[in-house]
Order: sequence, then C-alpha cells, then structure tokens
Amino acid sequence: AQSVTQLGSHVSVSEGALVLLRCNYSSSVPPYLFWYVQYPNQGLQLLLKYTTGATLVKGINGFEAEFKKSETSFHLTKPSAHMSDAAEYFCAVSDAGKSTFGDGTTLTVKP
Amino acid sequence: GAVVSQHPSRVICKSGTSVKIECRSLDFQATTMFWYRQFPKQSLMLMATSNEGSKATYEQGVEKDKFLINHASLTLSTLTVTSAHPEDSSFYICSARVPSGMGNEQFFGPGTRLTVL
Repeated sequence: AQSVTQLGSHVSVSEGALVLLRCNYSSSVPPYLFWYVQYPNQGLQLLLKYTTGATLVKGINGFEAEFKKSETSFHLTKPSAHMSDAAEYFCAVSDAGKSTFGDGTTLTVKP
Repeated sequence: GAVVSQHPSRVICKSGTSVKIECRSLDFQATTMFWYRQFPKQSLMLMATSNEGSKATYEQGVEKDKFLINHASLTLSTLTVTSAHPEDSSFYICSARVPSGMGNEQFFGPGTRLTVL
C-alpha cells in the first residue's frame, strides 16, 4: 500500500519569498514521486517527477524537489515566489502506474 | 509532450439523465487510463482503472453500474454517469499512462465539471 501526506493544507508566502511545500510518502516498493499543480477548474499539470537517479529534481517554473529516502520525503521548493504560483499543489506517489495523491496544499502568494 | 483531452468541459443535466464523458489521448496510445473524481477543495480520488479491450477495475466503494467505463480503443476511454443525481455533481478528471519506460507518468485531461440539477 502507498500513501502520501502533505503537511499544511494552506501555505501563505510573500512575493519573492521562499516556497516550501512538504510531502511525505510511504510505499512498499521504490517509489515514483510527482508534484502537480492545479489551477481553478483545470486539470493537473506536472511540475516535476522523481523516478531514479539524481535525488534533486528540477521542474518547470523554477520549482525543484529533493527525494530523501531516509526521511521518506519529497518536499517542493522554489527560491522566489511569484503571484502566478498561487494554486493548489498535489504530491503523488505511483506504483504500477496507479497514483495516490495527497490532500493538496493551497499556496497563497501575497503582494 | 503527451496531450489528453476531455469532452465536454462542462455539463449541466437534470436528475435521472445519463451523461457521457470522453477522454482521449491525442498524440500517443494509452493502454491504461484512469478516472478520478474531485470534490471542491479536496484531492483526487481514483474511481477506476480503464484498460483497453478489457473490463475496468473499480476502486472500493465505486458503483460499477453507476459509473460505466468503456475503453474501446487505444486513444479513447469513456465514463458514463448513469441516472445522475445531485450528489454525483463533481469534477471528473481522466489521465492516461504513458507507455512503460517513462516512470509511470500520467498525463491529465483538463477535467469535466458535472452539475446535476
């Protein structure tokens, strides 16, 4: 069985500040890990993914995440928030193609 | 990149009617597609796994007679909500799994907003 826990359902940062969205997972097999962003009334857009290899993964829009096996974490970061980053973010773990999503974190960016 | 479309994007229907939602992979063949349901301010809940040429696999608690899934070709899966009721109102999202070797990545459709009056 696999599961995902996103710590903090709401995160608020000022424009230009560091963004940190937390994700912890559990998986019985080496996981594939993903971060998605969702804007209102839209589907999910892939930000980045970890499959194998380098544990620091760079994605679109300046986001990156680090896979830490010892901590079973895959936190998402961005050095400087933009207003356009305000959205819902989902962490997901995948096994055999079937994904399990976290509850999501709403990111608010204050001017 | 891989593109998945859904049609319609929004549908409003009367209680008791059936609604069909289409999910298409536009530039790749998808042997496996997934159907999710998302309530406001909530996460995506997997409803079923749609496999081309075979019966769908439904998650626990999902009524297979209520939510009919057909995956007749490698690029099309359909979800039919039969005898829809207001509690079926939700955002339905499909995804298609990219063929093996690409990290189990799924590409998501833009979603369909269903409102049952």
